[in-house]
Amino acid sequence: EDKVVQSPLSLVVHEGDTVTLNCSYEVTNFRSLLWYKQEKKAPTFLFMLTSSGIEKKSGRLSSILDKKELFSILNITATQTGDSAVYLCAPKSTSGTYKYIFGTGTRLKVLA
Amino acid sequence: GAVVSQHPSWVICKSGTSVKIECRSLDFQATTMFWYRQFPKQSLMLMATSNEGSKATYEQGVEKDKFLINHASLTLSTLTVTSAHPEDSSFYICSARWRVSNNEQFFGPGTRLTVL
Repeated sequence: EDKVVQSPLSLVVHEGDTVTLNCSYEVTNFRSLLWYKQEKKAPTFLFMLTSSGIEKKSGRLSSILDKKELFSILNITATQTGDSAVYLCAPKSTSGTYKYIFGTGTRLKVLA
Repeated sequence: GAVVSQHPSWVICKSGTSVKIECRSLDFQATTMFWYRQFPKQSLMLMATSNEGSKATYEQGVEKDKFLINHASLTLSTLTVTSAHPEDSSFYICSARWRVSNNEQFFGPGTRLTVL
């Protein structure tokens, strides 16, 4: 059975802190992994990772994938209150039909 | 670009009635649309995958006769919750995969369904 586990479940930090969010997965016929940020409504896309060891960066956010150890991390440096959200990782499985399997998410709250 | 809309944003209905939710890709052709359900403080659970012009593929445990999905065109998919019950109250989100996009899916804003 496909499984995606994110940790921690919830995190409270102060502005300026750096956080690391973890995503471990076991999915059949893994193809890629996506990270999303969900505030009040639908998730917004952050990163797509397909190759191991290649860091993707976007401003203060960065992410990397390890296909051998089956995990990915999302780093946020110099956190701001606007980073408060639920962060979801979603590995893509192509077993049967093409689909994304979402993790439980990490709820991040950044205090001013 | 790559905007997905959903209608309605919020619906309240009586138990036993049916509710239709529309998902539209506004500026691209979506060969595949996904329907998710999200309960409070939980993650997105994939309900079904729909490809234009063919029957939807439902995930295990999702009743296809209760959650009717129609993907009649490259820009529109509909989810009909038939004979809705209070336990169907949830946040329903669709996403669309762009024809030329390899992996990325674009999410609609979601529809909050409350069944009384």
